[in-house]
Amino acid sequence: EGQLLESGGGLAQPGSSLRLSCTASGFAFSSYAMSWFRQAPGKGLEWVSLVIGNGGNTFYADSVKGRFTVSRDNSKNTFFLQMNGLRAEDTAVYYCAKDQKGRIVGPFDIWGQGTMVVVS
Amino acid sequence: DIQMTQSPSSLSAALGDRVTFTCRASQTIRTNLDWFQQKSGKAPKLLIYAASTLQSGVPSRFSGSGSGTNFTLTISSLQPEDFATYYCQQSYGTPITFGQGTRLEI
Repeated sequence: EGQLLESGGGLAQPGSSLRLSCTASGFAFSSYAMSWFRQAPGKGLEWVSLVIGNGGNTFYADSVKGRFTVSRDNSKNTFFLQMNGLRAEDTAVYYCAKDQKGRIVGPFDIWGQGTMVVVS
Repeated sequence: DIQMTQSPSSLSAALGDRVTFTCRASQTIRTNLDWFQQKSGKAPKLLIYAASTLQSGVPSRFSGSGSGTNFTLTISSLQPEDFATYYCQQSYGTPITFGQGTRLEI
């Protein structure tokens, strides 16, 4: 069964940048779209961004468009979320997740453990 | 954007109870609806996809139904490990959207 492991979270000042990474194992990484989600403290789940298998197409939530960039390196089974212009409202646990069926929008069958980002 | 609305926002139940959660989409999403369970401090877990297909490894006491705009998740007999928050998510298109969640309490 596949696994995902996020890294790169931490404390950031408003206006600064962070880069999250998600490393995959146990499945054919390049064959699947990958997504980032986030969950603010005590709140529900929010989709952030996705990148298709070959990295050719990317999609973003309006709340992060123009500030965040998603990318992937299939040679390293890793995908990334570059977060620029961070705001207090970006404070959340960030999860990466794998699309199960190749439809890019779900279902998402494998999730990472999450990495906390605090903007303060 | 497709808005997803779950009801109730919280639900109290006892071991062995049958419980049903409701999720409504603001427009038709056919059967492109997935259900997740999330326990405190943990990542979401996929339970049901395509409205009614049980994810591999998920106990058969979980079931889903619906199409179009109205969907339900049912747990036939509550077990201790089922107390968690449940989210629906539309997998019809971007932006991907979730309901606000239903918290299931003892």
